[in-house]
Amino acid sequence: GIQVEQSPPDLILQEGANSTLRCNFSDSVNNLQWFHQNPWGQLINLFYIPSGTKQNGRLSATTVATERYSLLYISSSQTTDSGVYFCAVERRGTYKYIFGTGTRLKVLA
Amino acid sequence: DAGVIQSPRHEVTEMGQEVTLRCKPISGHNSLFWYRQTMMRGLELLIYFNNNVPIDDSGMPEDRFSAKMPNASFSTLKIQPSEPRDSAVYFCASSLGDWDTIYFGEGSWLTVV
Repeated sequence: GIQVEQSPPDLILQEGANSTLRCNFSDSVNNLQWFHQNPWGQLINLFYIPSGTKQNGRLSATTVATERYSLLYISSSQTTDSGVYFCAVERRGTYKYIFGTGTRLKVLA
Repeated sequence: DAGVIQSPRHEVTEMGQEVTLRCKPISGHNSLFWYRQTMMRGLELLIYFNNNVPIDDSGMPEDRFSAKMPNASFSTLKIQPSEPRDSAVYFCASSLGDWDTIYFGEGSWLTVV
């Protein structure tokens, strides 16, 4: 099956710092989404981004499907950004989203 | 919109008991997913429904697990009999279509002792 690898696995930032999270996948995908799981366990969709670049406030994401990776940028990080960031990919024709192992982010005040 | 609603939020049960988890998807969404999250295996897709029909249940771990979607606004995931290794957070999620943003419920935290 398709492999989804995220890096780094863990990240500690000082408030105000910027960061880049990476998602690599091993096969062609139809769709890709980024999620944030907050410390209370809620999974929130950040971006639906099968290709191209999108921005939402301090967050932006870029997917280069031909090179099988996606990047999530967090600028001016805040303590509320803490949690685990997952990318999920849907392999062509399967309708199944496979989740990566996540990047655990901790932002210090 | 109320979002995806799951119940119960927390359940502690004894090994061998039947567990039923419930989900109400977002109104108008025609795709529904059940996921399980554990430390060891991360987020795993258990089953996917489209227009109330199970499309892919290859992630259902074994016969003890079953899922139904009798109508567009309700789905259940049942474990019978439950075992301690079933302890996990079970998420229900829905989307408007096959290739749309997925919205997750808050999860049902299951502990089997």
